[in-house]
Amino acid sequence: DTGVSQNPRHKITKRGQNVTFRCDPISEHNRLYWYRQTLGQGPEFLTYFQNEAQLEKSRLLSDRFSAERPKGSFSTLEIQRTEQGDSAMYLCASSSPDRGQYEQYFGPGTRLTVT
Amino acid sequence: RKEVEQDPGPFNVPEGATVAFNCTYSNSASQSFFWYRQDCRKEPKLLMSVYSSGNEDGRFTAQLNRASQYISLLIRDSKLSDSATYLCVVNNDNQGGKLIFGQGTELSVKP
Repeated sequence: DTGVSQNPRHKITKRGQNVTFRCDPISEHNRLYWYRQTLGQGPEFLTYFQNEAQLEKSRLLSDRFSAERPKGSFSTLEIQRTEQGDSAMYLCASSSPDRGQYEQYFGPGTRLTVT
Repeated sequence: RKEVEQDPGPFNVPEGATVAFNCTYSNSASQSFFWYRQDCRKEPKLLMSVYSSGNEDGRFTAQLNRASQYISLLIRDSKLSDSATYLCVVNNDNQGGKLIFGQGTELSVKP
């Protein structure tokens, strides 16, 4: 499978715990994006990387959220001290300069439930 | 006001019907436009890019009106398998960058 992969697919955690999600982009895609989607809404942008550089962060990304892409390949998104409002689907996408960076391809998402 | 607005639906149509979805965007500097399809509890998948001249892909036709800041998607001869949520998406950066999604329009095609 050469698509975007995300792990875990589901995560249930108790309020106050820390969680970390992983995203592996399509090989040779140099841009990687994180989005969050809640029920009945479209995805909302969180942050994105070009190679290992984090180029933009949304104001939705509070100081409890941190994302990294240390070697310019896979990325992790960590949420510290989770709150019930963090319950959502976390989607990762990647894009390639060969397609003008315009077409983003999404992974299956990690569904987070905070109890 | 949301940056990308869509009628959330649901649109309930019979098989074979033609259905049109509309979308408006607020940033006149928006650079690129897309329709994504999202099946229930799955990830969004790119359906088609939208060009100023309009473009067609089989039963699907997309139109862009920059003056009115309006995007449309027409589905002809709808199939049961077209049932999904259709997301209108814009990008404000001519170098790519973040996508801005509408709320999505739910389509249900009935036999």
